[in-house]
Amino acid sequence: AQSVTQLGSHVSVSEGALVLLRCNYSSSVPPYLFWYVQYPNQGLQLLLKYTSAATLVKGINGFEAEFKKSETSFHLTKPSAHMSDAAEYFCAVRIYNTDKLIFGTGTRLQVFP
Amino acid sequence: GAVVSQHPSRVICKSGTSVKIECRSLDFQATTMFWYRQFPKQSLMLMATSNEGSKATYEQGVEKDKFLINHASLTLSTLTVTSAHPEDSSFYICSAGAAKNIQYFGAGTRLSVL
Repeated sequence: AQSVTQLGSHVSVSEGALVLLRCNYSSSVPPYLFWYVQYPNQGLQLLLKYTSAATLVKGINGFEAEFKKSETSFHLTKPSAHMSDAAEYFCAVRIYNTDKLIFGTGTRLQVFP
Repeated sequence: GAVVSQHPSRVICKSGTSVKIECRSLDFQATTMFWYRQFPKQSLMLMATSNEGSKATYEQGVEKDKFLINHASLTLSTLTVTSAHPEDSSFYICSAGAAKNIQYFGAGTRLSVL
């Protein structure tokens, strides 16, 4: 079975600091991986996706993620946090041969001035 | 990006009544739509997959008679929570499948059952 695990339910950074949100996956087949962001009382917005092309994926709002097969990881990073980045972030994996997504438990990012 | 409209954004109802939630893809056609449920401070749990013109596929543990899904057109899917009870109170989110393995999400519906 495929799954994703997000380490750390809460991450706090200062404005301007590096953002690192962790996601590890489990999959017996090459996975399709996604990062979504959710602002309060809103749906999810796609930040970026990995679909077996380049291992370093650049997304919107300055975020990027690197697929590392040896570490089964797909961590999300941003060099410099902005106050507007404060939100809930979800890592997800597509179930093989379907359009269904399995989501991680989410990481709440807080950004302090 | 593509736009998915979900309505209403918030609904409060009495126990025993039914509530309908609409999910529309505004600028693309979606043969597949998904319905999720999100409990406070938790992740999204897939409830069902809605396919245009056919019966929805429900995930294990989801009562199909409780959560009626209709996908009558390529741009509209509805979720009806029948005979709602307080334990059905939750945040319901729909998404529409588009090309390149992407799902576009609605803004969600917060259901409160009194």
